[in-house]
Amino acid sequence: AQTVTQSQPEMSVQEAETVTLSCTYDTSESNYYLFWYKQPPSRQMILVIRQEAYKQQNATENRFSVNFQKAAKSFSLKISDSQLGDTAMYFCAFPSGGSNYKLTFGKGTLLTVNP
Amino acid sequence: DAGITQSPRYKITETGRQVTLMCHQTWSHSYMFWYRQDLGHGLRLIYYSAAADITDKGEVPDGYVVSRSKTENFPLTLESATRSQTSVYFCASSEAQMNTEAFFGQGTRLTVV
Repeated sequence: AQTVTQSQPEMSVQEAETVTLSCTYDTSESNYYLFWYKQPPSRQMILVIRQEAYKQQNATENRFSVNFQKAAKSFSLKISDSQLGDTAMYFCAFPSGGSNYKLTFGKGTLLTVNP
Repeated sequence: DAGITQSPRYKITETGRQVTLMCHQTWSHSYMFWYRQDLGHGLRLIYYSAAADITDKGEVPDGYVVSRSKTENFPLTLESATRSQTSVYFCASSEAQMNTEAFFGQGTRLTVV
């Protein structure tokens, strides 16, 4: 079974600084995707970034990038130039493939950006 | 409007009552999911559905019932609500492809008193 672990329940960062959120996972599959979702105080779940395991290049979306280490099964999210609007809960998510498709989430990291 | 909608947004019910949370999506996504979100537990999968009339248990199915007679609807029923079922419930939908994102409803905050 797939597992997703986020070891940092809470983090804080000063506005304009960089912060990295950690995620590790376990799977026996060879090709897969990994996702980071953001949940602001509005409760709406928003996709931040996705990474395909076969791609060696780390995914980047504006100020958000990942550090994907396939051998270590690590998938961290880096937020550069943090903004107040980045304050949210962040979830790492891992979809299982095949006929038993479902999405497994980590427990989340609450990020607070301070002015 | 296209999207995924949940109703109600907030619900207070008494222990032992039956409660149904509604979920409707307009994309014709094959997969739909119900999660509950609790502090310290993240999102835990309750039930999911691969298509109409096909449902399967997730991580925490006890005390819940689902049905999916139509592709667009996936209601979640608490047959006899308990205080431990006080939570925020999220419905989501997705295509059954690993590279596609799941789309979430706004959530239902359920309080069982």
